[in-house]
Parts: sequence; C-alpha cells; structure tokens
Amino acid sequence: EKVMTQSPATLSASPGERTTLSCRASQSVSSYVAWYQHKPGQGPRLLIYAASSRATGVPARFSGSGSGTEFTLTISSLQSEDFAVYYCQQYNSWPLTFGQGTKVEIK
Amino acid sequence: EVQLLESGGGLVQPGESLRLTCEASGFAFSNFALSWVRQAPGKGLEWVAAHSPSVLSIHYADSVKGRFTVSRDNSKNTLFLQMNSLRAEDTAVYYCAKRSPVEEFFDYWGQGILVTVST
Repeated sequence: EKVMTQSPATLSASPGERTTLSCRASQSVSSYVAWYQHKPGQGPRLLIYAASSRATGVPARFSGSGSGTEFTLTISSLQSEDFAVYYCQQYNSWPLTFGQGTKVEIK
Repeated sequence: EVQLLESGGGLVQPGESLRLTCEASGFAFSNFALSWVRQAPGKGLEWVAAHSPSVLSIHYADSVKGRFTVSRDNSKNTLFLQMNSLRAEDTAVYYCAKRSPVEEFFDYWGQGILVTVST
C-alpha cells in the first residue's frame, strides 16, 4: 500500500496570502495524484488531477505540481471560501489511498 | 447535473448488517466505475470499495475485505454497499463517488450518509 503523508496538519493563514500544502508518497506514484477540497457537510470537491491539471471550474489560483513522491498544492491568494480541509489521493495503484488532510484555517 | 444520493445509514450494534444505496443521475451510469469512500469522526478520507461498470473489476480495502460487498444495478442507476459484521471502527460518513472518465480519481461525490456502530 502506498502511504500518502500530508504536511502540515493545520495551516493558519490570512486572506490574500499565498499558501503551499505538501503531500509525500511512500513510493513513487508517478503523476497519479489528485487533490480535493472538503468542507463540513459536503462531499469533497476535485481540484487537481494528474498532479497539475485543474479540474473543470476550479479557479486559477489553485495549482498543483510534483511527480514521483513529492507533490504540492498552491493557493496563490487565499479567499474566504478556501478555508477548508485539503486531501491528496494517489491512484497509481490499488488500494487507492488518501493523505490524512491539511486543514487551512483563518489566522 | 450529476447527482449522487446516498441512503440507508443509521445506528446499528456491533456484528449487525446494513445496506447503503447510492442513487445516481445526470450521467451515463453504466459507463462509469463508482466507489465508496468513508470518513470516520475526526479522521481523514478512506477509500472502501470500487465497482467497475460491469462485474469484471471490483476492489476492496483490506479493512473491509470479506465483510463488505459492493454491487450495482445499471438498470436502476444504483450502487450498493452491503456491510456485514459491522464493527465500531466502521462508524463513519460514507460517500459515493464517481470515477472520472480518465483515471481512478473522483470527479463527483455525494453528500454522504452517517453509519454509527455502537451498543
């Protein structure tokens, strides 16, 4: 099983700040990584797939990068609606696995 | 508009069974794989099971293998999760998620349904 480890667990930031979230895979997953945004009471929302491709309708302030074992999600200028929990997921092999999440909270 | 609506959750005792249902609309159901993903209280997301458009490809997480069974009825646009021998650690919100057209990530999710296993 490929373990996905996210850091930090919690990130405090102010609106307008640039924010970077990290995700590390225990083994190479090539570029088979997706990122999701999750808010309470809702299903997760797909943001990024193939490590760096934005999903339909996702604002350009969200960007992803990385390959192999190191991945990042960057929010270029935090908006109020971006405060949520973010998860990475590898789909290189079964079982599909998620990171434990990074909570982005208001500073 | 793609919609996934989970139902069938509730409170059960350890060792009991429960069947979850996911009713789908807004896309060609029989062409896409779907998965169940859960989130235990205070924890992250955990993929549980996946079912391809046909019965050719079904996968389970080790934590549920032998206890849970995923199935689907393409004529009714419905995905099921039969959960037997439930344990306290199965307590979670269960989400139905649609596989993307290209790879094993999820482009649409339901709102989730709560399953509580407790005495």
